[in-house]
Amino acid sequence: EDQVTQSPEALRLQEGESSSLNCSYTVSGLRGLFWYRQDPGKGPEFLFTLYSAGEEKEKERLKATLTKKESFLHITAPKPEDSATYLCAVQAQGGSEKLVFGKGTKLTVNP
Amino acid sequence: ETGVTQSPTHLIKTRGQQVTLRCSSQSGHNTVSWYQQALGQGPQFIFQYYREEENGRGNFPPRFSGLQFPNYSSELNVNALELDDSALYLCASSLDLYGYTFGSGTRLTVV
Repeated sequence: EDQVTQSPEALRLQEGESSSLNCSYTVSGLRGLFWYRQDPGKGPEFLFTLYSAGEEKEKERLKATLTKKESFLHITAPKPEDSATYLCAVQAQGGSEKLVFGKGTKLTVNP
Repeated sequence: ETGVTQSPTHLIKTRGQQVTLRCSSQSGHNTVSWYQQALGQGPQFIFQYYREEENGRGNFPPRFSGLQFPNYSSELNVNALELDDSALYLCASSLDLYGYTFGSGTRLTVV
C-alpha cells in the first residue's frame, strides 16, 4: 500500500531562519510526487511536481528535491506569509490516478 | 481561465440526512476527483471521474456516490450521514489525469 509520512508535524521558525520539511514515501512505482500549500479552511494550492530522483524545482523561497525514498521542501529565509500547512502527495504508476497524501507539516513563521 | 469552484462553502446537516456537494471543473479539464479531509489530516481519496466514467475509488462505503456531467462538472452525494462524515470535502480537476487543481472545498458539519 502506498504511504506518505511527513515530518515534523509542526515547525515554528523565526523570520529569516531557513529550514527543511521532509516527506518519506513508499509507492509501487512513482509517477509523480507533489507538494501543495494549504491555508486554513482552504483547498491545497499546487507548488511543485517532481518525477524522478535527482530532480529539483524552485519557486521564490521554496526548493523541492527528490530521492528514491524521500523529498525535501527547503525554505530559505522564510517570511510570515509562508505560514501554512505543506502537504506532500504521491501518485503511483498505473491503476487509479489518485493522490496519496501525508498529514502535512504546519509551518509557523514568526516576525 | 476560471479555477475549480465548489458549492456550497459550508453546510450543516443532521445525522441520517443526505447531502449533495457540487463542483465545477477548471475550464478545459475532463477529470474530477473528490477528497475528504478531516481536521488535522491529509486529504483522503474518495473517487475519480474521467470523461463521465468512474476511474478509481478509495476506501469509502457505497453511501458515498458521485456523478460527472457532460460539461465535466461533478456531484458528490452522501447518504445516511454519520457524525464522522464531518470534514472538508475537496474537489480537484485535471486534464487527462495530469496536474490536479483543487477547489476551496465544502465544510460539512454533521450534528
